[in-house]
Amino acid sequence: EEQLVESGGGLVQPGGSLRLSCTASGFNFTYYSMNWVRLAPGKGLEWISYIGANGRISNADSVKGRFTISRDNAKRSLYLQMNSLRGEDTAVYFCTRDQGASQFSQRFYFFDIWGQGTLVTVSS
Amino acid sequence: IQLTQSPSSLSASVGDRVTISCRASQGISGSLAWYQVKPGKAPKLLIYAASTLQIGVPSRFSGSGSETDFTLTISSLQPEDLASYYCQQLNSFPRTFGQGTKVEIK
Repeated sequence: EEQLVESGGGLVQPGGSLRLSCTASGFNFTYYSMNWVRLAPGKGLEWISYIGANGRISNADSVKGRFTISRDNAKRSLYLQMNSLRGEDTAVYFCTRDQGASQFSQRFYFFDIWGQGTLVTVSS
Repeated sequence: IQLTQSPSSLSASVGDRVTISCRASQGISGSLAWYQVKPGKAPKLLIYAASTLQIGVPSRFSGSGSETDFTLTISSLQPEDLASYYCQQLNSFPRTFGQGTKVEIK
């Protein structure tokens, strides 16, 4: 079964740091781009970070300079290093697999596998 | 690219036809996906490429549209469809989501 499992969430004080991990199983992690998405209480889904299979990285403005995405293909793992955490970073963080499909000579992307999420609470 | 979903919430009866709109601030071809989010569960992909049903998703779900105007339709609402629904554009970075539509059962 293709699966993603996040870990590393918890309670952290404002200004603190946390490192999230996501371990993949059931598919060849090396071939896929990956993302982090979060869902804050009472708010909507927010895409925050992408890392391509080739190592290309893109981040949302809300986390630029504070969060760093990385991957270790040998460990089939995705990471999110979160620094300078703020109250508004409180959310459930999901890792997702980035999938692509070709139709009508175009390439379309979507997030087909999601982990169950890990809760990050930023509070004093 | 900003996505505007409407309505933000709706209440419908079992068996009703439900439509959710998603409007993009600029053309995105067909690079749009729809997700279902239930409390405490991982989001679930429903539709990709604007109208392609993900494997295993019930056929009562369908998607349509292109460029700036998209629609998710539930042809016959079921009790298990109680959830929030989000559109997402994947035409360019940042890969923005709409603000979500909460579907309640009357």
